[in-house]
This record gives sequence, structure tokens and C-alpha cells, in this order.
Amino acid sequence: DTGVSQNPRHKITKRGQNVTFRCDPISEHNRLYWYRQTLGQGPEFLTYFQNEAQLEKSRLLSDRFSAERPKGSFSTLEIQRTEQGDSAMYLCASSLGRARLNSPLHFGNGTRLTVT
Amino acid sequence: AQSVSQHNHHVILSEAASLELGCNYSYGGTVNLFWYVQYPGQHLQLLLKYFSGDPLVKGIKGFEAEFIKSKFSFNLRKPSVQWSDTAEYFCAVNARGNTGKLIFGQGTTLQVKP
Repeated sequence: DTGVSQNPRHKITKRGQNVTFRCDPISEHNRLYWYRQTLGQGPEFLTYFQNEAQLEKSRLLSDRFSAERPKGSFSTLEIQRTEQGDSAMYLCASSLGRARLNSPLHFGNGTRLTVT
Repeated sequence: AQSVSQHNHHVILSEAASLELGCNYSYGGTVNLFWYVQYPGQHLQLLLKYFSGDPLVKGIKGFEAEFIKSKFSFNLRKPSVQWSDTAEYFCAVNARGNTGKLIFGQGTTLQVKP
């Protein structure tokens, strides 16, 4: 078990381009979360999956953002038509949850996105 | 809506000084509380958590936190800090029984001078 893995670590893109990030959670974890963190702020919740089902999306997640977890394992976060305001660290976390019980979240190192 | 407020944005201490970082949350129901730490260049790591029971919880590296329900607070403490405690500290809350989604405070940067 090597923890939550995120790729790439850094991504620089021009405004208007599409980007996709990948997250590989801890293998036995059924819950997966995406967060965004900007400088000087704590992580902000974006979306959450239980297995392959996307169960909650934040209002922060505009229609340019889409996340998938097709087989209940890894997840991708795509941002279309990137804007400079999308520049941030995108964090993935996973946990093991059953019903109302949930283990603490384990975070990856994040993908730092810079939109020029 | 839930929110978390951390009182200190930047704290500078000398080694061996005592540490207390404030955290207050707003939520009317029963909560789980967490402190996460992010060392330079590393990912967020769980420092300690409170789910129920004894409101004084002990975490890794000599840290502890006290849940005071009447004050909606969960302050982090350490009697004697070390240079290696230099990091960013985040308080977080989730509503008990929900999906596990965490709401974070804005973080406190701790700088310990050797």
C-alpha cells in the first residue's frame, strides 16, 4: 500500500485548454474525494464518489469540471476550457466507509495546476 | 452550512515553547473533528481525530486537542514544539454519519525557530 497516488504532480497549461488529472486511491478504499486548495486557504470540497457512483458535487464544480470513477477504482478530474482562476492544487483523498461510519481521509500529494 | 475558523494564520515560536492553535466550528449537529498537518513538500496527514468519548484526544508526535462542545472548539496543543513541527496545520469537521466529506479551516502556518 503506497497511499493515494496523483498524476501528474504539476501541470502548466494555456487558458482555454483542457486538462485531466488522475487519482489512484488506496486499494481497499471505496470512497474517493476531490478537493481544491488555493494559496493561503484550506482544501475546499469539490466532489465525492462511493465506489463508481458520484454522490455529491459542490457548487464550486462548474459545468467545465467533470469527474469520473468508472470502475470504482481510479478517478479522473477533467477541466475543460481552463481559466486562470482554475490555477490551484487539486487534491484527491480516499477513505473506507460503510453506512454511517467512515475512516479518516487519506490524501495524495496533489496536482498543481497553473493556467497561463 | 458548516464552517471552520482557525484564529491564527501564522504563528512563529522558538523551540521548546508551548503551542496552542485555535479552531472553532459552526454546525448544529454532532460532529467528528480532525487536525491535519502538512509538512513542507508533503501531503496532508492526519494528526489526530475526535469521534466520541474522552474530549481530550492525543495524536502523533506529542500533539493533543480538546473538544469543548459548549464553545464549539477543538484547539490543538503541544507542550514543547520542535523545529520539525514547522508545517501548516488544518482543522476540519464533518457531520457525524454523513459521507465523510470534510470542511477545512483556512490553515495555520507554524514556523519554529531553532
